[in-house]
Amino acid sequence: SAVISQKPSRDICQRGTSLTIQCQVDSQVTMMFWYRQQPGQSLTLIATANQGSEATYESGFVIDKFPISRPNLTFSTLTVSNMSPEDSSIYLCSVAYRDTYEQYFGPGTRLTVT
Amino acid sequence: AQSVTQPDIHITVSEGASLELRCNYSYGATPYLFWYVQSPGQGLQLLLKYFSGDTLVQGIKGFEAEFKRSQSSFNLRKPSVHWSDAAEYFCAVRVTGANNLFFGTGTRLTVIP
Repeated sequence: SAVISQKPSRDICQRGTSLTIQCQVDSQVTMMFWYRQQPGQSLTLIATANQGSEATYESGFVIDKFPISRPNLTFSTLTVSNMSPEDSSIYLCSVAYRDTYEQYFGPGTRLTVT
Repeated sequence: AQSVTQPDIHITVSEGASLELRCNYSYGATPYLFWYVQSPGQGLQLLLKYFSGDTLVQGIKGFEAEFKRSQSSFNLRKPSVHWSDAAEYFCAVRVTGANNLFFGTGTRLTVIP
């Protein structure tokens, strides 16, 4: 399994500002993902973070709103831009190994937008 | 449409009682199947997985799950629930050709003394 850390663990932000969330893994992983979990809801995939290239976004999510970086095999960032109260969610980083198909999750970042 | 269904939003059981959480999927082929648990304020922890082979799989914390192809189900079970099992449980699938997981809506488990 992988040990995944996320920073910050939680934050309260004002409308219109941006927040960058960091995800660090203790080993090189094939795939990294960013999910959103809105209050009382299940997880929805935002995008797949690709090393050295643009992320692959799911329907309903765009790069201007959720820019993602992945400079190497152990680190990724997700930025939530121009935030509104509707962005209040838990954002989770996830990693997977292609050969095992297992996926592991970070502890999440709880974001509240006021 | 492809989907993962957890029909029970909330289940309450007494400590020591048995537990079964239901999960049904709707995909063309047998996907890879997973159960995760999320304790309050925590991330998701992998309980168990099914890829192929024996349809009864054992996981951590005394949980097991049975894959039934004919019913497109992957139900999670535990013979005796502990108070610390109170949490949100998510069934997830990974389909052929996709790297990410698709999640069910979750089942919240309450354990009463």
